Amino acid sequence: EVQLVESGGGIVQPGGSLRLSCAASGFRFSNYWMHWVRQAPGKGLAWVSRINIGGSRIDYADSVKGRFTISRDDAKSTLFLQMNSLRAEDTAIYYCIKDAFGPRDFWGQGTPVTVSS
Amino acid sequence: QSVLTQPPSASGTPGQRVTISCSGSSSNIGNDNAYWYQQLPGAAPKLLIYNDNQRPSGVPDRFSGSKSGTSASLAISGLRSEDEADYYCVGWDGSLSAYVFGTGTKVTVL
Repeated sequence: EVQLVESGGGIVQPGGSLRLSCAASGFRFSNYWMHWVRQAPGKGLAWVSRINIGGSRIDYADSVKGRFTISRDDAKSTLFLQMNSLRAEDTAIYYCIKDAFGPRDFWGQGTPVTVSS
Repeated sequence: QSVLTQPPSASGTPGQRVTISCSGSSSNIGNDNAYWYQQLPGAAPKLLIYNDNQRPSGVPDRFSGSKSGTSASLAISGLRSEDEADYYCVGWDGSLSAYVFGTGTKVTVL
């Protein structure tokens, strides 16, 4: 059974940092592109970042470029999102997704991030 | 601000057909595939349509996707109460080198 379990969310002050993790199981993690998507409270979905197989191709939304870093540890089947210089507008539920936009995409349940003083 | 525009709401009675539009540009929908997600209240999004008009296994054929030029559409036929949800289009924007989601459409079953 495919599982994606996000962790690392919480409450942080503006300008602070958080590192999100997404532990994957039930599939060969190293064979898939992985994505992060977020959803602010009461708002729509927003794509954040993706990383390809092997980690050689990475893309970011303009809103997080230069502040967020996506990475993967295939040996531990884990996806990461390092978030620095956090702003109030980064407050959202962050979802980890396997093979997003494909016929076998799978979403985790999300981890909440709140940026507030 | 999203580059993919959807109507904020759509509605219909059970059994009716509802269509949701997604207006983009030549840098996204007009040049690459469109995808559609359904998000039920309190749940993670679920993929309904990929590659403009393909349904993943398990998605009922009441859901169909189409595309013309820089716009994509999702049609729900035989509307059912369980279709009441938020629907989002999404596509790759080559100019931004990023995926972009639509503004979202809330479907209400009257």
